[in-house]
Amino acid sequence: DIQMTQSPSSLSASVGDSITITCRASQSIDTYLNWYQQKPGKAPNLLIYIASSLQSGVPSRFRGRGSGTDFTLTISSLQPEDFATYYCQQSFLAPPTFGGGTKVDIK
Amino acid sequence: EVQLVQSGAEVKKPGESLRISCKTSGYNFYTYWIAWVRQMPGKGLEWMGSIYFADSDTTYSPAFQGQVTISADKSISTAHLQWSSLKASDTAIYYCARGDTARGWFDPWGQGTLVTVSS
Repeated sequence: DIQMTQSPSSLSASVGDSITITCRASQSIDTYLNWYQQKPGKAPNLLIYIASSLQSGVPSRFRGRGSGTDFTLTISSLQPEDFATYYCQQSFLAPPTFGGGTKVDIK
Repeated sequence: EVQLVQSGAEVKKPGESLRISCKTSGYNFYTYWIAWVRQMPGKGLEWMGSIYFADSDTTYSPAFQGQVTISADKSISTAHLQWSSLKASDTAIYYCARGDTARGWFDPWGQGTLVTVSS
């Protein structure tokens, strides 16, 4: 299975900050990388697919980049509703696998 | 509006059987996959398997192969996840989600079904 490693596992930030979450794959996955946001008690929500495509309805402050093994999710100007846990997921090879998650909380 | 609505929370004893469901609506369900994803308490997301409604083609994660069965009832556009003999370690929230392929990005997701297995 392809292992997905996210860093950091948690971070504290303030409203208005810009943050970057990193996801690394154990082998090249081209751009088959997706990002999800999960708020407490809720289902995950797709933010970014194929590394950099913004899902409909997702604010443009979310940006995904990368290819091969290294990917980033950047949230510019954090809003109160952005405090959540973020997961990356590879869809290059079965089984699809998720990163361990990055919890973003309020400083 | 595309919707996936899951069945309600369940409390079961070890050894009991269970089937949970995911009712789809608002799109042509024949042309998409439905995935099942496990989230154990306080943990991350694990893909269990996916089913294609059109022909019931099913693929499982090796970690879940033989442990669960995924099925679909086209007549009611509903996917199911079932266990024949639950274990305490099956306690988790189970999500269904629509996928463009068996392993592709998943969107949208159902609201989740909490399964608690305890003696």
